[in-house]
Amino acid sequence: QVQLVESGGGVVQPGGSLRLSCAASGSTFRRYVIHWVRQAPGKGLEWVAVIWYDEIYKYYGDSVKGRFAISRDDSKNTVYLQMNNLMVDDTAVYYCARPEDSNMVWAMHVWGKGTTVTVSS
Amino acid sequence: SSELAQDPAVSVALGQTVTITCQGDSLRVYYANWYQQRPGQAPVMVIYHNTNRPSGIPDRFSGSFSGNTASLIITGAQAEDEADYHCNSRDSSGYHLLFGGGTKLTVL
Repeated sequence: QVQLVESGGGVVQPGGSLRLSCAASGSTFRRYVIHWVRQAPGKGLEWVAVIWYDEIYKYYGDSVKGRFAISRDDSKNTVYLQMNNLMVDDTAVYYCARPEDSNMVWAMHVWGKGTTVTVSS
Repeated sequence: SSELAQDPAVSVALGQTVTITCQGDSLRVYYANWYQQRPGQAPVMVIYHNTNRPSGIPDRFSGSFSGNTASLIITGAQAEDEADYHCNSRDSSGYHLLFGGGTKLTVL
């Protein structure tokens, strides 16, 4: 059973930075796209970013473009989300997720439990 | 860019059938996926590509679509189905994902 485990959340001041990690089990990790999705307190889900295998494509949501960067290290089965110039509105639980089939891109069958980011002065 | 619209709240009597809808122009072109989220938990996919049910999801969950509307149907709703339900799909560019605002389902 594939598992995704997020880490790296915490409390940071506005303007600060954090790097989130999404670690996955399984030898075929490198073949899958990985998404980041976030959920602000009491709000709905918001798509943040996606990264293709071999980093051939990366796409970002409008609210984070230019501030967040997604990357992956397939030797460590890990995807990262570097978050810079954080704002109060970035406060959320951040989930990573992926499809069940490496040929899929935009469906998220497998989710981690999330890591909490709080941006506050 | 485009949007996906969901009713904020829907209720259903125990054992009855309920339909939760998701509307958006991008649904005319791209698949919808549906996720169940119970309080304090991560989302769980219940329908993908409009009508497909992942393994392990009860068969009372089904999906349909017509025009610019995707629907999640729960036939014989159970108490454990009380949750938030989120739809998503690609936006008009095809390179971003949108989520609907979510629908809170109450089972009476």
